[in-house]
Amino acid sequence: GENVGLHLPTLSVQEGDNSIINCAYSNSASDYFIWYKQESGKGPQFIIDIRSNMDKRQGQRVTVLLNKTVKHLSLQIAATQPGDSAVYFCAENAGQGGSEKLVFGKGTKLTVNP
Amino acid sequence: SQTIHQWPATLVQPVGSPLSLECTVEGTSNPNLYWYRQAAGRGLQLLFYSVGIGQISSEVPQNLSASRPQDRQFILSSKKLLLSDSGFYLCAWSHGGYPGAFFGQGTRLTVV
Repeated sequence: GENVGLHLPTLSVQEGDNSIINCAYSNSASDYFIWYKQESGKGPQFIIDIRSNMDKRQGQRVTVLLNKTVKHLSLQIAATQPGDSAVYFCAENAGQGGSEKLVFGKGTKLTVNP
Repeated sequence: SQTIHQWPATLVQPVGSPLSLECTVEGTSNPNLYWYRQAAGRGLQLLFYSVGIGQISSEVPQNLSASRPQDRQFILSSKKLLLSDSGFYLCAWSHGGYPGAFFGQGTRLTVV
């Protein structure tokens, strides 16, 4: 089946820099995407979502960009802080059901250096 | 606001022993409920989901079962644990039809 994948398994940045975490998806029918943050030993925390009729959505210090032409999703974190260190997952939903149809990527580990 | 509670946080069980993990949701009614398993350094695998009391759908064949005795309660069980059942188990909920999900804090299960 088609899965969400990630370009990089790890990303290391300096505190205060901007971070960009990438995600590639292959299911052109996916119409909803979510970014989750998972700290060590904790459950995934919802960060931001975007529907396929949008190409950009902004939250507090985070921006998600969606490029449907190349099936690419990215999460941008502005002024990265040590508390941003975590594993970040993207997930897609092809819209044929509810949350049971979410497909998760393997995750990117973000390390913020002080 | 809605909250999800999952317990215990950690559990060490011998092979062959039974398992019962509980999850409850507050602040909403008739949620969709989910059990996921996450292997170390990996993504999330959906095990079960439920759209209502007594309604359970299984995504993968396994040594586990799920039950939903009340609207906001979801239980993951096993009669006899295997070593391969070790992992990080996550409960999640969503509104009906909403394509996203919100997760509990997880239970780290180690079968020895």
